Amino acid sequence: TAGITQAPTSQILAAGRSMTLRCTQDMRHNAMYWYRQDLGLGLRLIHYSNTAGTTGKGEVPDGYSVSRANTDDFPLTLASAVPSQTSVYFCASSSGTGSQPQHFGDGTRLSIL
Amino acid sequence: ILNVEQSPQSLHVQEGDSTNFTCSFPSSNFYALHWYRWETAKSPEALFVMTLNGDEKKKGRISATLNTKEGYSYLYIKGSQPEDSATYLCAPISGAGSYQLTFGKGTKLSVIP
Repeated sequence: TAGITQAPTSQILAAGRSMTLRCTQDMRHNAMYWYRQDLGLGLRLIHYSNTAGTTGKGEVPDGYSVSRANTDDFPLTLASAVPSQTSVYFCASSSGTGSQPQHFGDGTRLSIL
Repeated sequence: ILNVEQSPQSLHVQEGDSTNFTCSFPSSNFYALHWYRWETAKSPEALFVMTLNGDEKKKGRISATLNTKEGYSYLYIKGSQPEDSATYLCAPISGAGSYQLTFGKGTKLSVIP
């Protein structure tokens, strides 16, 4: 079973360019999340979606946008990348309540130069 | 944003030793507490989701307890093995109906053979 698939695995991007990180899940989970992982700061929530058609801001949403057109896909877009967005990005999903565990993708390593 | 503290930040134990670490979180408006295991170069993997005060969960040699009134959870590993080496993250959820986790910075465990 695939679970959660993130693409690309890694990317080097010039500052000022736009980039969309892809996330697809095949578990029919209602809720999906985007986190960034930075040394010393742990995992921080960027945006989330409780169900298809709705999205919300997490702890560090600035510079990022998301959409949730259907249950399976939750892309994260950087409209104009800046070096401080260099990070490892994880997508996750859950069945839709806080008492259910989140399932994580393998991550996308993004470097902004 | 919840204030989540994990201690110690890191520890080294000998193979066969038992160990434990602490997660502290705000006790007000508690809904659930998640524990995740994160091996280097992999993605976080759910261990437990705990919701009830006094709850105790067990998975093999790993167990966890929860005190929602005072706002802490302990994770225990009995007879540590090298494959237990990982970062252990806790993440509380505040407010019923919320799906958003606030992750602690983790406890990095290294088990020396």
